[in-house]
Amino acid sequence: DIQMTQSPSSLSASVGDRVTITCRASQSISSYLNWYQQKPGKAPNLLIYAASSLQSGVPSRFSGSGSGTDFTLTISSLQPEDFATYYCQQTYSIPRTFGGGTKVEIK
Amino acid sequence: EVQLVESGGGLVQPGGSLRLSCAASGFTFSNYNMNWVRQAPGKGLEWVSYISSSSSTIYYADSVKGRFTISRDNAKNSLYLQMNSLRDEDTAVYYCAREDRSGWYISFDYWGQGTLVTVSS
Repeated sequence: DIQMTQSPSSLSASVGDRVTITCRASQSISSYLNWYQQKPGKAPNLLIYAASSLQSGVPSRFSGSGSGTDFTLTISSLQPEDFATYYCQQTYSIPRTFGGGTKVEIK
Repeated sequence: EVQLVESGGGLVQPGGSLRLSCAASGFTFSNYNMNWVRQAPGKGLEWVSYISSSSSTIYYADSVKGRFTISRDNAKNSLYLQMNSLRDEDTAVYYCAREDRSGWYISFDYWGQGTLVTVSS
């Protein structure tokens, strides 16, 4: 199975900050990497697919990059509604594993 | 509007069974592969099972293999998860998720609101 490791597991940031979350795969997954946002009590919401493609309706302050084993999710200017938990997911192979999550909290 | 609505969750004793359903609307259900994903209280996301659009291909996570059965009824636009021999560690919110393969990539583009399964004596 492919293991997905996210870092950090949590971070504190202020509105307007630039935030970067990293995700590392235990083997190459090409660009089969997605990012989801989850708010408390809600279902996950797809933000980025294929490592760097922005899902329809997602604000342009979100961006993704990387290929192979190392990926990043960047929020260019953190907004109040962005405080949430973020998960990466590989869809290169079965099982479709998720990272452990990164909780973005208000500083 | 795409909608996925799960039902069937509840409290069940260890060793018991439960059947979850996911009702789909707003898209051609028979054209899409589907998945179940779960989330234990306060924990991260765990992929559980996959079924192809025609039910010809099915996969399970090792943690549920031999105990859970995924199925679908395209005529009823419904996805199911039969859960047997339930354990405490199966306690979680269970989500159904649509798989998007419209390009070369694969993503879970729509999710239901989830249904809570609690396994406890």
